[in-house]
Amino acid sequence: KNEVEQSPQNLTAQEGEFITINCSYSVGISALHWLQQHPGGGIVSLFMLSSGKKKHGRLIATINIQEKHSSLHITASHPRDSAVYICAVNAGTDKLIFGTGTRLQVFP
Amino acid sequence: EAGVTQFPSHSVIEKGQTVTLRCDPISGHDNLYWYRRVMGKEIKFLLHFVKESKQDESGMPNNRFLAERTGGTYSTLKVQPAELEDSGVYFCASSQVRQVNTGELFFGEGSRLTVL
Repeated sequence: KNEVEQSPQNLTAQEGEFITINCSYSVGISALHWLQQHPGGGIVSLFMLSSGKKKHGRLIATINIQEKHSSLHITASHPRDSAVYICAVNAGTDKLIFGTGTRLQVFP
Repeated sequence: EAGVTQFPSHSVIEKGQTVTLRCDPISGHDNLYWYRRVMGKEIKFLLHFVKESKQDESGMPNNRFLAERTGGTYSTLKVQPAELEDSGVYFCASSQVRQVNTGELFFGEGSRLTVL
């Protein structure tokens, strides 16, 4: 069992829908990262958080340290949001531990 | 300002050959990380440089992999001799602050390695 689990693995949505991607982890962490990778592209850091909630445009990331759970929300989804979304955690070291990613496809 | 750049973007080699991947971090970033994703699996840590020193190489799979960062600028990752299971995407990332201190991390676009 991975130390970082994401759900769902695959997600399809219609443009405009509200999307939630979940990440659960089993280790103590100092920070959690949400990353985005477009097809054929590099990895882009969306959020780094250690508590509470962060918002950037239509993206919102929340974390519950006690429950070892984080969610990434996308409001008013758009086809350009189609990408793989990856959760990764710092477990008090320099290494990130990654989830397997959630592949999102948003159709017009 | 240039981001993290990696070269080549894709390399196809035969089993037993040698490949060298290069990563140029963001200027001024002392911390450089190599990660790898093999098909269908999660991205995994390979090693971490602080300037030219290897801080942690616990993720390096075996002695066929050699990473260097001479002068503390760009880094190379050499695979010699390459095996089929080395196929995957190799990502480089850099940060100004060490990840243990939760510094923001910047990734390159990855180098896809295919070993036939």
